[in-house]
Amino acid sequence: SQTIHQWPATLVQPVGSPLSLECTVEGTSNPNLYWYRQAAGRGLQLLFYSVGIGQISSEVPQNLSASRPQDRQFILSSKKLLLSDSGFYLCACQTGIQPQHFGDGTRLSIL
Amino acid sequence: AQSVTQLDSHVSVSEGTPVLLRCNYSSSYSPSLFWYVQHPNKGLQLLLKYTSAATLVKGINGFEAEFKKSETSFHLTKPSAHMSDAAEYFCVVSGSNQAGTALIFGKGTTLSVSS
Repeated sequence: SQTIHQWPATLVQPVGSPLSLECTVEGTSNPNLYWYRQAAGRGLQLLFYSVGIGQISSEVPQNLSASRPQDRQFILSSKKLLLSDSGFYLCACQTGIQPQHFGDGTRLSIL
Repeated sequence: AQSVTQLDSHVSVSEGTPVLLRCNYSSSYSPSLFWYVQHPNKGLQLLLKYTSAATLVKGINGFEAEFKKSETSFHLTKPSAHMSDAAEYFCVVSGSNQAGTALIFGKGTTLSVSS
């Protein structure tokens, strides 16, 4: 079965600092990968998705970027964090027509 | 375009009583519908899914949902609530089963269970 690893679990960063969140997947090949953000009191917002190595689609304009250097690795980055980047970031994977499977998330707080 | 509306932001029940979490959807395709549960500071866990087979879908932990096309609804129910059911629940729609299709999430319903 698929396993998604996200780290770190929690992160506190100052405004203007860089960011790198990593997501790796086990137990599947050629997955579609997704980054979501969940802000306090809101639902999930899709940020990026990828259907293959080096293929990134962005759903909303923002201060973040994503990369997929390997088949089962998905990285979320920022050069300079904003206060509005605070939230709970979730990585998800999907194979074939199966439902998306989620990692345990990273809680990001910006000070 | 697809959208989903969860009609209640918060539902409170007593342990042992029925649970009803309401969801309406809008889709220009034949939709796939899901319910996910999220416990505090955790990722989302799939409860159940509807993909155009039986309209009554049974999921994990005693939950089930009924797809009603005429009412564009996909309400989640459980006959008897347990304390461990307290969590955030998301109703989700997908326009198709094709690879790379992103999910559209409702804003969530917080379920509280009292003893």
